[in-house]
Amino acid sequence: DAGVIQSPRHEVTEMGQEVTLRCKPISGHDYLFWYRQTMMRGLELLIYFNNNVPIDDSGMPEDRFSAKMPNASFSTLKIQPSEPRDSAVYFCASSYRDTGGNTIYFGEGSWLTVV
Amino acid sequence: GQSLEQPSEVTAVEGAIVQINCTYQTSGFYGLSWYQQHDGGAPTFLSYNALDGLEETGRFSSFLSRSDSYGYLLLQELQMKDSASYFCAVAGNKLTFGGGTRVLVKP
Repeated sequence: DAGVIQSPRHEVTEMGQEVTLRCKPISGHDYLFWYRQTMMRGLELLIYFNNNVPIDDSGMPEDRFSAKMPNASFSTLKIQPSEPRDSAVYFCASSYRDTGGNTIYFGEGSWLTVV
Repeated sequence: GQSLEQPSEVTAVEGAIVQINCTYQTSGFYGLSWYQQHDGGAPTFLSYNALDGLEETGRFSSFLSRSDSYGYLLLQELQMKDSASYFCAVAGNKLTFGGGTRVLVKP
């Protein structure tokens, strides 16, 4: 299995620009998670989907952030407009069923720098 | 809400044993997971405890006490490659992570 695939791996963008991060979960997994990792705040859950439906977006920082999952094999996290404080590693992860006893598998992350 | 507490850093020498404690406060608790993350890498699953007691997986063991809202990860026969960050995480509908413990293994 190819694992969770994220793109881009690295992105440097200017403040105010739109950023789109992409994720392909592991085939057959019905849960998809977006996490953000920074030194200050650790690993934060932003949003998760079950069967392509957003279930909990309480971790999304503000309206500048949005996430979609148009089908079972693709999700996007969009930041518009981006700000320097959005600089972080963004991880997508997927799992079969919920996390109770089930491993979640992380992608390699998208390293975002907003200057 | 959910909160997890674990030490920020631990240093030990090769061959030693390290115990990383994790205390949590949460609702809807299914179990406690542990993940390892090397610098620049992604978190990877190590272990999961749903019931009280010790789970052993090779050199790593994990323990859970639900009544005490407490668990730990035990790393035995430490190797240089074990230098990484270790996260406890509360499992439920979603996985909520602690702040991570950075383990530094010295020769």
